[in-house]
Amino acid sequence: AQSVTQLDSQVPVFEEAPVELRCNYSSSVSVYLFWYVQYPNQGLQLLLKYLSGSTLVKGINGFEAEFNKSQTSFHLRKPSVHISDTAEYFCACSTQGGSEKLVFGKGTKLTVNP
Amino acid sequence: KAGVTQTPRYLIKTRGQQVTLSCSPISGHRSVSWYQQTPGQGLQFLFEYFSETQRNKGNFPGRFSGRQFSNSRSEMNVSTLELGDSALYLCASGIRLAGYFGELFFGEGSRLTVL
Repeated sequence: AQSVTQLDSQVPVFEEAPVELRCNYSSSVSVYLFWYVQYPNQGLQLLLKYLSGSTLVKGINGFEAEFNKSQTSFHLRKPSVHISDTAEYFCACSTQGGSEKLVFGKGTKLTVNP
Repeated sequence: KAGVTQTPRYLIKTRGQQVTLSCSPISGHRSVSWYQQTPGQGLQFLFEYFSETQRNKGNFPGRFSGRQFSNSRSEMNVSTLELGDSALYLCASGIRLAGYFGELFFGEGSRLTVL
């Protein structure tokens, strides 16, 4: 079965600074990878996904992520954050032809300070 | 296109009662998954239904059950509520293809408080 580890539970940054939220996965088969964002009192919204092809994936709100198979990582980055990016971010993984279940990491709470 | 709709949004119950939560998926989506979200445990998978059949089940006691109707709408039921069942229950719909389980689209959740 696959698993997802988000290395930081909380990340505080200042507005306009760059940010990286780290995600590592474990799976014996090929995977699909996703990043979701959850704003307070809301459900999760898809930011971006990696299915195949280019390892650099661009998503909404200026976020991007890079799939690194050798390091089993899928880190999320943004070059300049805004106050409105304050939210919880979840990395998720499903396996190709496997149990076909979407497994989530425990989340990283990003706080952008003025 | 309408999103995933969950009802009710908020509810308060007492220990020992039961609760039923409802989810209407995005039109055309036949897969519906349920998750429990708590501050301590994060997002935990409850179960997934596809074409009225349970396809996957998480590690929850039998007090947690669900079903899916022919129009893909889904309900989950929790019987004999315990204090620890207080959580945000999220429903998500998606597309399931052979060998591929893609991204999920989430509702805003039903926040259950057990007193």
